[in-house]
Parts: sequence; C-alpha cells; structure tokens
Amino acid sequence: EPEVTQTPSHQVTQMGQEVILRCVPISNHLYFYWYRQILGQKVEFLVSFYNNEISEKSEIFDDQFSVERPDGSNFTLKIRSTKLEDSAMYFCASTQKGENYGYTFGSGTRLTVV
Amino acid sequence: TQLLEQSPQFLSIQEGENLTVYCNSSSVFSSLQWYRQEPGEGPVLLVTVVTGGEVKKLKRLTFQFGDARKDSSLHITAAQPGDTGLYLCAGPTHAGNQFYFGTGTSLTVIP
Repeated sequence: EPEVTQTPSHQVTQMGQEVILRCVPISNHLYFYWYRQILGQKVEFLVSFYNNEISEKSEIFDDQFSVERPDGSNFTLKIRSTKLEDSAMYFCASTQKGENYGYTFGSGTRLTVV
Repeated sequence: TQLLEQSPQFLSIQEGENLTVYCNSSSVFSSLQWYRQEPGEGPVLLVTVVTGGEVKKLKRLTFQFGDARKDSSLHITAAQPGDTGLYLCAGPTHAGNQFYFGTGTSLTVIP
C-alpha cells in the first residue's frame, strides 16, 4: 500500500537553529499538508499546499516557517530559527483530491528543540 | 473556528466489552473522518462519512454521522486489546483546505 514517508524520524536541534523536515507524499496525490502535535495535545493544522503554492495556513505558520516542493517528489517544511515551543511531532499528509478522500499521514518527525 | 469535541477523553475497558465514542460540534460539516493513532505514529484513516444519518461498518466498528451533520459516533463491539489507541475525529473547514481535529479519545482495552 502506498505510504507517505517522512525523514528524519527524530531530530534534536538547538534553539535558534534551522531545521528541515522532509516528506515524500504518495505519488499521485495532489494536496499536501503539514500538521503538528505537541505531546498530549491535539493535532494542529499548519499549512496546505496545492499546485505548487500554499492554499491555506494557520496562525501557527508564521514567518519562521516555509514549505517547498523542490523536485516534484519531496515536500519540505523548514523552520528558520527554532524555539523551544516548536518541539512536537510533525506530520506530513497527502490526499488525492478534496476533503472527502481522507488523508494519508506519514509516521511523523519528532522534533526536540533544546 | 469549527470545534470538534470528543467524549470521553479517556476510556479503559475490559476485553469483550462494547463502547461508544462521540464527536460533537456546533458547526455543520460536509463530512467527518475517524482516525486511529498509536503512540509515535501518524493517524490512520478508518472511515469517512459524508451523508447525514449515514452508517458505515468496518468489522466490529460502526460509525454514524448525525442527521444534521454536526456529530458522529464510533461504536466498537467486543473490544480487543488491538483496538487500543487514540481515536480522532476530523472534519474539513468550509474552504476544504484543512481539517479540524477533535480532542481525541484515548482507549485502553485490558486483556
């Protein structure tokens, strides 16, 4: 069964450093997303991406965040200057089209900012 | 903001028991989805319900979408330890570009 692949599975970084989280969505999917989940809390929307541009972003997704689909395969989330409160599980998801198709989530990247 | 409240927040039952988990909102959703998440993993889609009043069955799991499309329930019959996990409901925003996730129900089935 097709999977969404995320790397790395764990990332520890010092506060103020830049991190890039990588995702390979399912190949025939058109919509891509980043969500995050702080330990013990809700899954929160960060950003959606379609047709090579951001279609929606949440208030969490401030100027420190950016997304890119550099090569038609990878979908990356960059945090320019990490803060302690950025520590969370970051999930990439993709869907074929439309909200009724359901997401396929990756296994996540656990980001720890120290 | 379209909020989804789930109840109960935590549920611990014995193997073989039945249970129901609820997902409620004051907003109307065009569809609702249920996911199960295990520790350290991403949520896995179980079902999507689209039509008000719709009932879908997935083996021992029965999902229902409320007539007004503001709520949904998940009923598990004869729960097994493998059912243990965090159950999340999620619904799309009006624009359809993102999903709101519910607060989650953490289910533990004791052998």
